[in-house]
Amino acid sequence: DVKVTQSSRYLVKRTGEKVFLECVQDMDHENMFWYRQDPGLGLRLIYFSYDVKMKEKGDIPEGYSVSREKKERFSLILESASTNQTSMYLCASSAGRTGGGTGELFFGEGSRLTVL
Amino acid sequence: GQQVMQIPQYQHVQEGEDFTTYCNSSTTLSNIQWYKQRPGGHPVFLIQLVKSGEVKKQKRLTFQFGEAKKNSSLHITATQTTDVGTYFCAGKRSGTYKYIFGTGTRLKVLA
Repeated sequence: DVKVTQSSRYLVKRTGEKVFLECVQDMDHENMFWYRQDPGLGLRLIYFSYDVKMKEKGDIPEGYSVSREKKERFSLILESASTNQTSMYLCASSAGRTGGGTGELFFGEGSRLTVL
Repeated sequence: GQQVMQIPQYQHVQEGEDFTTYCNSSTTLSNIQWYKQRPGGHPVFLIQLVKSGEVKKQKRLTFQFGEAKKNSSLHITATQTTDVGTYFCAGKRSGTYKYIFGTGTRLKVLA
């Protein structure tokens, strides 16, 4: 069964703290994504990666950075957390062009981050 | 930048009534996907549409992709309580890996 695992379901951090959100997929997918989900705004793309060490900005990259040192792992980093980054963070992966499939996104369970 | 809007934002229906959500993109899409997110869950893939004017069915669900590949709809016939959740469309432009999600339609079915 395909699996995308996010390291923490719930986190509470203080303003200014550095926050790491980890995501691991076991499907050998090339593409990995970080979205944040807020009521009324749907899912907004923060960053994505189409290969190891490759990354591209999504629609709302400000205040975030990412790291993809290994194919199966994609990390989201908040260098200095702020209260407006309180949100649900969803990681997803999909097969690349060479991986076949429909290109569907497989999502993790989500990480709910609260910044106080 | 590319935007994908969905309407309505919320819909309450009586069980057995039909339901439709509409998705509109500001740019032409190469394909569009639909996802369902149950309350407390994560989005789960339902279907992908690729061709202009394409129509696909999954039991009581009918998906359409517009002729201009800028809009799409999901229609549920005779809703059931198991249909409760938020439905998202996600559009992709050619030459990019990015999927831009719509704002979602939250469906509540009253028994």
